[in-house]
Amino acid sequence: DVKVTQSSRYLVKRTGEKVFLECVQDMDHENMFWYRQDPGLGLRLIYFSYDVKMKEKGDIPEGYSVSREKKERFSLILESASTNQTSMYLCASKVTVNQPQHFGDGTRLSIL
Amino acid sequence: DAKTTQPTSMDCAEGRAANLPCNHSTISGNEYVYWYRQIHSQGPQYIIHGLKNNETNEMASLIITEDRKSSTLILPHATLRDTAVYYCIVRATSGTYKYIFGTGTRLKVLA
Repeated sequence: DVKVTQSSRYLVKRTGEKVFLECVQDMDHENMFWYRQDPGLGLRLIYFSYDVKMKEKGDIPEGYSVSREKKERFSLILESASTNQTSMYLCASKVTVNQPQHFGDGTRLSIL
Repeated sequence: DAKTTQPTSMDCAEGRAANLPCNHSTISGNEYVYWYRQIHSQGPQYIIHGLKNNETNEMASLIITEDRKSSTLILPHATLRDTAVYYCIVRATSGTYKYIFGTGTRLKVLA
């Protein structure tokens, strides 16, 4: 079974902090994704990566950056956390274009 | 961009089949339809996907209409543990990595 692991289930940070969310997959997948999920808005794509050191912006990249130094790890960075970034963050990975994404359990991030 | 439309909510009696519809009339000819479900406070769980033909796995069956404008996810014998939000997903446009997640159908299985 595909395993996508997010480093924290719950995280509380303060406004202005730099926040790192980590995601690791164990299936040698090329493609990895970061989404945020908010009530009434569904899942929105922040960034995705199609290879090591390669990334593309999704629909809502503002305030976020990403890092993919190794194939199995995709990190989401909140450069200076703000309260409007309080959300559920979901990481996903997939192997090829037509194969399904597999999601982690999410990180519920609260910015105070 | 492609778009999916699902009913907001549905109820189903335990042990009965749950049939969840999805309209994806703008889907491209070579794009797959994917179904996921999400139980509160967990990440979306992959269920099944298909292109043209009907598909079945250990979790569910997927029926895709011949014109590919709609599909139905079938849970043959719903249990209380199937209570979740079900998402029908397609790619936004062919060749991209963006997927359209709508607001899904909240399925409640009743004892």
